[in-house]
Amino acid sequence: DTAVSQTPKYLVTQMGNDKSIKCEQNLGHDTMYWYKQDSKKFLKIMFSYNNKELIINETVPNRFSPKSPDKAHLNLHINSLELGDSAVYFCASSQLHRAGYTFGSGTRLTVV
Amino acid sequence: AQSVTQPDIHITVSEGASLELRCNYSYGATPYLFWYVQSPGQGLQLLLKYFSGDTLVQGIKGFEAEFKRSQSSFNLRKPSVHWSDAAEYFCAVGASTGNQFYFGTGTSLTVIP
Repeated sequence: DTAVSQTPKYLVTQMGNDKSIKCEQNLGHDTMYWYKQDSKKFLKIMFSYNNKELIINETVPNRFSPKSPDKAHLNLHINSLELGDSAVYFCASSQLHRAGYTFGSGTRLTVV
Repeated sequence: AQSVTQPDIHITVSEGASLELRCNYSYGATPYLFWYVQSPGQGLQLLLKYFSGDTLVQGIKGFEAEFKRSQSSFNLRKPSVHWSDAAEYFCAVGASTGNQFYFGTGTSLTVIP
């Protein structure tokens, strides 16, 4: 019973391609997030949705577009991939802010 | 603005020794505070959290942390480290009125036999 699942786990692609990462949570949480972890392990929030509504939209290139078809899913689409997009992308969900997040296991994106 | 500082990038301890990982935060009011652990190739797992009440909080895997308002700190401790504790540890802070957390840069823990 995976609580927050991301697919794929690994993604290797060429520069200029378009790719998507999918995230699903079965916890009944209202809020979902996308974080980017760079090579130095720094975690930076990208987006957050609450009940399908975008509530956090940090300064990321507009090549990144989140989509939330329902509150259990938050997908990340990336256009025209660049070398600098290589990172680990984590999906997370929460119900109560003070309860913290439940993270997925991450998607390691490598752009070559 | 909120921020989190983890002063130690890397710590090495012997198995069975005690451990303390430091975390300092910057926030005007009482924040929500968290410690997460990330094993290699894995996502982040919540170890413990503080948002009110007793300033000494117990978490999973034998970890505890103490909130010290006067020092703006939330240090993580474990009395006896096991080899399986080797991982990356992240402190995070969130505002009680906010909807996101800010993570520290992490402390990498190595456990030697």
